[in-house]
Amino acid sequence: EAQVTQNPRYLITVTGKKLTVTCSQNMNHEYMSWYRQDPGLGLRQIYYSMNVEVTDKGDVPEGYKVSRKEKRNFPLILESPSPNQTSLYFCASSLMGNQPQHFGDGTRLSIL
Amino acid sequence: DAKTTQPNSMESNEEEPVHLPCNHSTISGTDYIHWYRQLPSQGPEYVIHGLTSNVNNRMASLAIAEDRKSSTLILHRATLRDAAVYYCILWEVNAGGTSYGKLTFGQGTILTVHP
Repeated sequence: EAQVTQNPRYLITVTGKKLTVTCSQNMNHEYMSWYRQDPGLGLRQIYYSMNVEVTDKGDVPEGYKVSRKEKRNFPLILESPSPNQTSLYFCASSLMGNQPQHFGDGTRLSIL
Repeated sequence: DAKTTQPNSMESNEEEPVHLPCNHSTISGTDYIHWYRQLPSQGPEYVIHGLTSNVNNRMASLAIAEDRKSSTLILHRATLRDAAVYYCILWEVNAGGTSYGKLTFGQGTILTVHP
């Protein structure tokens, strides 16, 4: 089944403790992207990747890192999480840019 | 970045058509118009996209104004399952056909469907 898989689905952690949210797709998609969703602010793009080893900033990249070492995986790294990064995160992929995106089920992060 | 403007909310009755508007007055000639929707407690899902001509698929129709400064997503017969937040976004593509990766979703339109 074609899918975008995010892990973990839920995480409660503390300020400053590094964490990684994994994202994996099995559709051989070139384009991948991370979003955060907060009440009243809609979906905001954090980082995106047009292909392997090619990443760039979205609208809200501060406090996040990403890597794209292989086509299927696009992890989101929070080196020193802070409470303002408490949010619902979505990973998405598409065959290439300007194609329908497939979204994961989301990861709910709570930073205390 | 090209931006879109949508009404905060709309209401419809079940079995009736719904026309969801989107304004994108700064659209450039090669930007594509994409629509997504997000059902409660789910991730967004793709609905439809197009460039100039009207587009149809099994989920909806997309009507694009002749000047491309606005578009309308048409749900031909709303069902309760269509209650969702609908997002209109622009995917920027340069004149050579290469797409950019940065996307701005905005807050979307909350569609309520009444039985």
